[in-house]
Amino acid sequence: DGGITQSPKYLFRKEGQNVTLSCEQNLNHDAMYWYRQDPGQGLRLIYYSQIVNDFQKGDIAEGYSVSREKKESFPLTVTSAQKNPTAFYLCASRDRPGANVLTFGAGSRLTVL
Amino acid sequence: RKEVEQDPGPFNVPEGATVAFNCTYSNSASQSFFWYRQDCRKEPKLLMSVYSSGNEDGRFTAQLNRASQYISLLIRDSKLSDSATYLCVVNRLDTGRRALTFGSGTRLQVQP
Repeated sequence: DGGITQSPKYLFRKEGQNVTLSCEQNLNHDAMYWYRQDPGQGLRLIYYSQIVNDFQKGDIAEGYSVSREKKESFPLTVTSAQKNPTAFYLCASRDRPGANVLTFGAGSRLTVL
Repeated sequence: RKEVEQDPGPFNVPEGATVAFNCTYSNSASQSFFWYRQDCRKEPKLLMSVYSSGNEDGRFTAQLNRASQYISLLIRDSKLSDSATYLCVVNRLDTGRRALTFGSGTRLQVQP
């Protein structure tokens, strides 16, 4: 079955460490997105990529970095510069940038100790 | 002002009740509208799109009022399994970004 796989599902990190969250999709979708969700809040866009080798900052990109070397993969690095990294991170994709429906991965829950 | 605003709730309703949620959006360039459902600690999933003429899917009815810039979701005959957070989502095509904007969600708790 096609879908989006995020890993790890749960991650604990010490302050000052970088961590990379994996996002892989086998849907052949062009556009991929990273969102962050804090308790009781909606999803906020971190980074997005509309095509391979291209990505753009979203609303809260500071302290994060991404790459898009392959169509299937869009990893997110949470750097030590991100002041409040504890959150639920969701990766999503859609078949083209203007398409209406987003498909989400199951999410990665990051806790900074 | 947030681009998409929702009443956070929670809405606590008995089984069988009818419940309605509203959502307002601030940008008139918004083109497409959706309701997503998110269960606790899970990813959001598309519940239904919202069309200008209004649309229904079983017990769920969605409506759009472009003049007043709000959308609504009506759930009839509530089931325990309807308990979740309902996210209002807006798609704008006037920017190069072309990313969906999510409201904070309205939490629904259906009680036996």
